[in-house]
Amino acid sequence: GAVVSQHPSWVICKSGTSVKIECRSLDFQATTMFWYRQFPKQSLMLMATSNEGSKATYEQGVEKDKFLINHASLTLSTLTVTSAHPEDSSFYICSARVLAGPFEQYFGPGTRLTVT
Amino acid sequence: GQNIDQPTEMTATEGAIVQINCTYQTSGFNGLFWYQQHAGEAPTFLSYNVLDGLEEKGRFSSFLSRSKGYSYLLLKELQMKDSASYLCAVREPPSGGYNKLIFGAGTRLAVHP
Repeated sequence: GAVVSQHPSWVICKSGTSVKIECRSLDFQATTMFWYRQFPKQSLMLMATSNEGSKATYEQGVEKDKFLINHASLTLSTLTVTSAHPEDSSFYICSARVLAGPFEQYFGPGTRLTVT
Repeated sequence: GQNIDQPTEMTATEGAIVQINCTYQTSGFNGLFWYQQHAGEAPTFLSYNVLDGLEEKGRFSSFLSRSKGYSYLLLKELQMKDSASYLCAVREPPSGGYNKLIFGAGTRLAVHP
């Protein structure tokens, strides 16, 4: 099946610093990847849609200058949280769109970000 | 607006059957997904419905009624490992060449011996 990886699996950073999260499709090419954020006991909230070779599409209320997304290749998308604040602490999950089957999304294992 | 409702928590006994309901009111509809998510892990795909009726897949079945904006996930022969959150997600019609998923808040299922 389609496998999506994320790196790192968890990260702790200080307020004001930036952290980069990578999302890779390991055995397929993904022209579209999605970035979600999930707070404890809440659902996944779509942050942005990442398209290879073009600018990401951000959901309403998500600051594009704070959450930088780059989809430089068909197997890699990165999310950079800039000038991190404690309220950015969350579980960040990426998914990749698979063209075969009912077009469901395959999810990465998630990255736990803690900002101190 | 988009609204997807699921019960927050459910408990059940090992070996029993449990039904998790999901109602939705969305501006568009292009399929409904159920995902399982263990704490601290990514969601894993369980089932997909786009037409009315029941889809069976081993111990899991999912039902959809588009006219009622209603779906349920049925889990049979419950096992302890089924303790997890179950997420209902509605797929929007394509826009910009792709479909977005709108997730419900999830139902945390606890299976007891």
